[in-house]
Amino acid sequence: NAGVTQTPKFQVLKTGQSMTLQCAQDMNHEYMSWYRQDPGMGLRLIHYSVGAGITDQGEVPNGYNVSRSTTEDFPLRLLSAAPSQTSVYFCASSSDGINYGYTFGSGTRLTVV
Amino acid sequence: KQEVTQIPAALSVPEGENLVLNCSFTDSAIYNLQWFRQDPGKGLTSLLLIQSSQREQTSGRLNASLDKSSGRSTLYIAASQPGDSATYLCAVRGYGQNFVFGPGTRLSVLP
Repeated sequence: NAGVTQTPKFQVLKTGQSMTLQCAQDMNHEYMSWYRQDPGMGLRLIHYSVGAGITDQGEVPNGYNVSRSTTEDFPLRLLSAAPSQTSVYFCASSSDGINYGYTFGSGTRLTVV
Repeated sequence: KQEVTQIPAALSVPEGENLVLNCSFTDSAIYNLQWFRQDPGKGLTSLLLIQSSQREQTSGRLNASLDKSSGRSTLYIAASQPGDSATYLCAVRGYGQNFVFGPGTRLSVLP
């Protein structure tokens, strides 16, 4: 039982490049979300999904795209990387919106140069 | 908009002390509150989840309480150990389903 798996763990991008951060969970959780964590800013919600085919924006969605074609996978796409997107990205999942807490992945540390 | 604060921002205690970490939130309309631990350079590990109808939860040396009406939660750590050194985050889940996180308390337990 792997829980929430994020790949890659580390990535360096050049400004303007695009990439996809992968997130997969094997717990059959409906609810998945992406956060970024920055010093002094805490964890901020980027996008979230309440089930396959349903996504919505969080607090800081600009520059990011998501899709949810299956229950298991919730990839985060950086369309044109900027230095301001240098951060640690966490994916999390939950069984439902009310009764259960979050399970987090181990994070992706992204540097944009 | 829900806002979550944590006091203190940092805490240093000698090994063996009992300690309390505080979490405050502005909107009492929540489903639950979750406490996490984060080690440097690592992900978040769930410690305790308290539903809005509960007053407290316990796991080993950890006890978390919730006073929803006053917008407060505390995490009590008994007989602290150097291995407890980490950043502790609280997060509240409101009726919009998303968790809102506090900034964390950085705990150092000195041998």
